[in-house]
Amino acid sequence: GAGVSQSPSNKVTEKGKDVELRCDPISGHTALYWYRQSLGQGLEFLIYFQGNSAPDKSGLPSDRFSAERTGGSVSTLTIQRTQQEDSAVYLCASSFNGHGTGNTIYFGEGSWLTVV
Amino acid sequence: AQKVTQAQTEISVVEKEDVTLDCVYETRDTTYYLFWYKQPPSGELVFLIRRNSFDEQNEISGRYSWNFQKSTSSFNFTITASQVVDSAVYFCALRQTGANNLFFGTGTRLTVIP
Repeated sequence: GAGVSQSPSNKVTEKGKDVELRCDPISGHTALYWYRQSLGQGLEFLIYFQGNSAPDKSGLPSDRFSAERTGGSVSTLTIQRTQQEDSAVYLCASSFNGHGTGNTIYFGEGSWLTVV
Repeated sequence: AQKVTQAQTEISVVEKEDVTLDCVYETRDTTYYLFWYKQPPSGELVFLIRRNSFDEQNEISGRYSWNFQKSTSSFNFTITASQVVDSAVYFCALRQTGANNLFFGTGTRLTVIP
């Protein structure tokens, strides 16, 4: 597609429920990234995919967070047993290539998650 | 270790004024990349510029200009004749060679008052 597409745009969920956030990267981009932006905070790196592999999961905050990517394209970020501190904007991004390059990383509009 | 510092948390200017957003970075790499992104109220991060560490030429794009100085590890961003549409949070970011991701500063919220 023309840009990075994320869904849902907004999600309100009850504490303890699982949520799935979806990202469709720019066509042809092999690298995909998930970031989190909490209210008033900067951007926190979560995970990086090169193709379907995730060589860097160092930013995932707990084992309740997981992500997968299939077909080298769409990625899903899953948060299990959501907590209120998970409330944030989850931003997906993609680039033509990833590791070791200065390729520009393009971001989607984010999925705004609120845990009540 | 890497670090990006945007010391200005919030800036307010009156429309048509010029404004400079500061960015200071730290890295041990000799090869790295610097970026500026704009985040309007819609939330999307909009790419503005990428600069690699070998290219210290300043760049101008319309009302935007960037001043990269390796000697002071700074990559400052100036908006000339600011407009209300420039109101947003601006992020400076660093990517080290071999790094998988961008490391962001905490952002500067710019408000342009009509």
